[in-house]
Amino acid sequence: GAGVSQSPSNKVTEKGKDVELRCDPISGHTALYWYRQSLGQGLEFLIYFQGNSAPDKSGLPSDRFSAERTGGSVSTLTIQRTQQEDSAVYLCASSLRGSGVTSTDTQYFGPGTRLTVL
Amino acid sequence: AQRVTQPEKLLSVFKGAPVELKCNYSYSGSPELFWYVQYSRQRLQLLLRHISRESIKGFTADLNKGETSFHLKKPFAQEEDSAMYYCALSEAGGYNKLIFGAGTRLAVHP
Repeated sequence: GAGVSQSPSNKVTEKGKDVELRCDPISGHTALYWYRQSLGQGLEFLIYFQGNSAPDKSGLPSDRFSAERTGGSVSTLTIQRTQQEDSAVYLCASSLRGSGVTSTDTQYFGPGTRLTVL
Repeated sequence: AQRVTQPEKLLSVFKGAPVELKCNYSYSGSPELFWYVQYSRQRLQLLLRHISRESIKGFTADLNKGETSFHLKKPFAQEEDSAMYYCALSEAGGYNKLIFGAGTRLAVHP
């Protein structure tokens, strides 16, 4: 079946502009995650959605970052007033169940959106 | 603090040589440990997890709680093993966010 999809695959923007990144998780997956991969860095957790629970936003680097998940499916990550340090690959992942089970679910990753802030 | 450390940015070996990618972690609870792999132009994907205790593509990893390590090993490297490898942990049995190391690029030369 279809995996996690993300759009756009590449985004070039000017400093100070707002951007929206989209993630379509695997159908039926209740948990959705956003990570960021900066040049030379590992993957950094940003935010996590699980069903109807309040999202865990503990990884968002600043209040310029926000995300929502509509209808328990598609998610949008918004970065306002982009800065050059926001340049990175933004990865979305989904998993079947999320929290409350005895072992961690496998997370399935999308291809990522490469954001370049000029 | 929760942290995953992969001390090597690049590991370069010849085909047929043994490989060990190092991973150390610090975590106050009871973590689950994973290795993820990203081949060129492909998505990040799970390679193996410590609770499965299985060998995938000839790779194994043993969780050593005393040394807080989860090193990835393969006795005979193949060229197709060339990829970026990430060690990661999550809290066992509940919260699923992954904490990743910085990654090690494995280059296997013919």
